[in-house]
Amino acid sequence: AQTVTQSQPEMSVQEAETVTLSCTYDTSENNYYLFWYKQPPSRQMILVIRQEAYKQQNATENRFSVNFQKAAKSFSLKISDSQLGDTAMYFCAFMETFTSGTYKYIFGTGTRLKVLA
Amino acid sequence: DGGITQSPKYLFRKEGQNVTLSCEQNLNHDAMYWYRQDPGQGLRLIYYSQIVNDFQKGDIAEGYSVSREKKESFPLTVTSAQKNPTAFYLCASLLGSEAFFGQGTRLTVV
Repeated sequence: AQTVTQSQPEMSVQEAETVTLSCTYDTSENNYYLFWYKQPPSRQMILVIRQEAYKQQNATENRFSVNFQKAAKSFSLKISDSQLGDTAMYFCAFMETFTSGTYKYIFGTGTRLKVLA
Repeated sequence: DGGITQSPKYLFRKEGQNVTLSCEQNLNHDAMYWYRQDPGQGLRLIYYSQIVNDFQKGDIAEGYSVSREKKESFPLTVTSAQKNPTAFYLCASLLGSEAFFGQGTRLTVV
């Protein structure tokens, strides 16, 4: 079974500093997607960044970037120039595609990030 | 506006009663999902559906049931067989690889 593991339940970072959140996953598939979602106190889930497994280049979205290591099954999120609004729960997620055309979307346990003023 | 609507936001039920959580989307998405969120356990997949009249069990389907009679609607019933139903429930739909979430329903069983 596919699993997503986030080993850091809580982290904190000073405003304007850089922080890296870790994620590992397990799958026997070769084609899949990886994501980081943000859940602020409002509890609304927001897509931060996505990575397609067949792409070797690491995805980047403004201050957010990933380090995708396919062989190691590692997918970390780096937040640069941290802002107070980045305070949230961050979930790593994995999507696999079955030959039947169904998509199973699973999440890790989350990392609670607090940005300190 | 297009989006996913979950209702109600808060729901209280007595132990032993079945309860149905609503999830409606007007995004014309085929795939829809139900997750349960508990502190320290992240989002766990309950059921998912790719097309009308078809759905699959997720990782924690026991004690839950769903239907998908219309593309727009994917209601979740929490049955009395669910041993610990108090949780935050999130519904999502999928476009391509991006999941769009509702605002969630907080279910409390007393």
